[in-house]
Order: sequence, then structure tokens, then C-alpha cells
Amino acid sequence: GNSVTQMEGPVTLSEEAFLTINCTYTATGYPSLFWYVQYPGEGLQLLLKATKADDKGSNKGFEATYRKETTSFHLEKGSVQVSDSAVYFCALSYASGGSYIPTFGRGTSLIVHP
Amino acid sequence: EAGVAQSPRYKIIEKRQSVAFWCNPISGHATLYWYQQILGQGPKLLIQFQNNGVVDDSQLPKDRFSAERLKGVDSTLKIQPAKLEDSAVYLCASSSYPSGGLLAKNIQYFGAGTRLSVL
Repeated sequence: GNSVTQMEGPVTLSEEAFLTINCTYTATGYPSLFWYVQYPGEGLQLLLKATKADDKGSNKGFEATYRKETTSFHLEKGSVQVSDSAVYFCALSYASGGSYIPTFGRGTSLIVHP
Repeated sequence: EAGVAQSPRYKIIEKRQSVAFWCNPISGHATLYWYQQILGQGPKLLIQFQNNGVVDDSQLPKDRFSAERLKGVDSTLKIQPAKLEDSAVYLCASSSYPSGGLLAKNIQYFGAGTRLSVL
């Protein structure tokens, strides 16, 4: 079946450090890939997405590239801020029976210290 | 545009009791999802509706969980009877798919969730 694997957290960084959160997936066909972010006390919100191989999604300084050859969609940011502290979820969506079915990873907590 | 509304925000019940959660999606969104998020885990899809039809409910424990989406708008998720392992946050999300074409494909908008504690 389809699945998403994320690196275990928490990831603890100092402000302005480089961030990588690894995400790999298993899926049949060509899923769309997403990163969602959940800030403390809030619901999940879309951070970025990519719909086909070699697409790069980007938003708020975060980037991720859809790598079909390595089935990966790693999240990166060049310089993190304290306000980036949140839980990050990698997700995929695949076509099934005329609709699209989502699958989420378990989430990676990011803690950024001043 | 108003977001996805969920109520209640918190619920505490004893095992074997019943509980219901309500979700109002973004206006015009055809697709609605219910997820269960256990502490430390990612959201697990319980049921997905497109308008008032069920697209996927393969992970819904049908012996105790039920959901409906009358008239293709609001939805309720019910647990009867609750077990200790049902303690989790229940998330509702909506998507404009199939409207909006490729751009809208699978972008979900989440509510804040309902935190359920079963004692």
C-alpha cells in the first residue's frame, strides 16, 4: 500500500541554522506530494506541494523537490527562525476510483532556539 | 473566506459512552475528510466524502464509528461506544476538488480539531 516515512523528531536547531527534514514515500503510480505544517494550537495548513517528478515546491523560504528516482520529498530551509517551530507533516495523494486519497507521515517536530 | 469549523474543541467522556463531532467545511467545497490523529502520530484518514457520497472509508472502524454528510455540506462523526484507544484529536478537512481543476487537486484545508479524551 501507499505510505510516507519521515525522520524522527524532535529536530532542535539554533536560529539561522540550515534545516532538512527527510521524507520518503511508497506509492503506486504518480502521487502528488505535500508538506503541511501545524503550529502550536492550530490546525494543519498547507506549506508547499509538487505534483510531478522534478517539480520544486516552495513557500516562506521552505523548499522541497519531488525526486521520483529516490522516492523522496525532503523539506529544506536555509535559515530557520524561532517562528518556524512547529510540527511538519509530509503527505501524498494518489488517484483512486475517481478521487484522490491522502496519506500522511507521522510528523516531525521542529524546535528552533534563539 | 471562513475556514473549516469544528465543534466541540474538547470533549471528555467515559468509556462505553457515545460522542459526536460536527464539521462545517469551507463553503462550496465538495470533498470532506475526517481524520484521527493519535498523540505523536500523523493524521489517519477515517472517511472521505465527495458531496454526500463516500469515496473511501477503508480505515473507519465501522463497528463503532459512523459518519454522515447530509445534503453534501455539514458532516457529523459519531463514536458509539467509545473505547480508551479512541482518545485522539479528530480533524476535519475540506477540499474544493473536483472543482478548481489541477490547482485545487488535493489541497486540503483543516479545522482546528476536536480533542477527545476517553477515561
